[in-house]
Amino acid sequence: ELKVEQNPLFLSMQEGKNYTIYCNYSTTSDRLYWYRQDPGKSLESLFVLLSNGAVKQEGRLMASLDTKARLSTLHITAAVHDLSATYFCAVVVGKLTFGTGTRLTIIP
Amino acid sequence: GAVVSQHPSWVICKSGTSVKIECRSLDFQATTMFWYRQFPKQSLMLMATSNEGSKATYEQGVEKDKFLINHASLTLSTLTVTSAHPEDSSFYICSAAARTVNYGYTFGSGTRLTVV
Repeated sequence: ELKVEQNPLFLSMQEGKNYTIYCNYSTTSDRLYWYRQDPGKSLESLFVLLSNGAVKQEGRLMASLDTKARLSTLHITAAVHDLSATYFCAVVVGKLTFGTGTRLTIIP
Repeated sequence: GAVVSQHPSWVICKSGTSVKIECRSLDFQATTMFWYRQFPKQSLMLMATSNEGSKATYEQGVEKDKFLINHASLTLSTLTVTSAHPEDSSFYICSAAARTVNYGYTFGSGTRLTVV
């Protein structure tokens, strides 16, 4: 059974700081997604990573994928309050399976 | 492009009644649709996968007689929660996949169901 784990589960960080969220998965997959969810809302697609070594960046967020290590990272640069949300990674092995989620709070 | 419309956004119903949630792909044909349930402060759990014109495939532990899924066309899937109970209160989200959306899954806006 595929397991997708994220750490940390909770992250409180100051504005302007950098941090990384990690996503580990247990079964080989060649597709990994990152989503953002605001309270009471559905999912917003951030990135899709399709190959080993893939790196994508959008604003202060950068995602990477290492399929050999079964690891993806979401790096936040110079955090701002607007980035406060819950972030999910999700992996496709037949079906889309979501990670546990990381609740990110940016403190002024 | 690739918009999925989900209705209603929220619904309150009495125990024992049934509730129908609709999920429509507006600008593409969704060959496969997925239904997820999310309890507060938890991740999304896949309930079932539906393909147009065929029976839905339910995940282990999901009662197919309680959560009726119909995918009658390439643009519409419905989830009916039958004989709802308070423990069915949750956030339900649909998602669609399409060959025309490169590796993409598009999510509906979600339905907050409260059973009283």
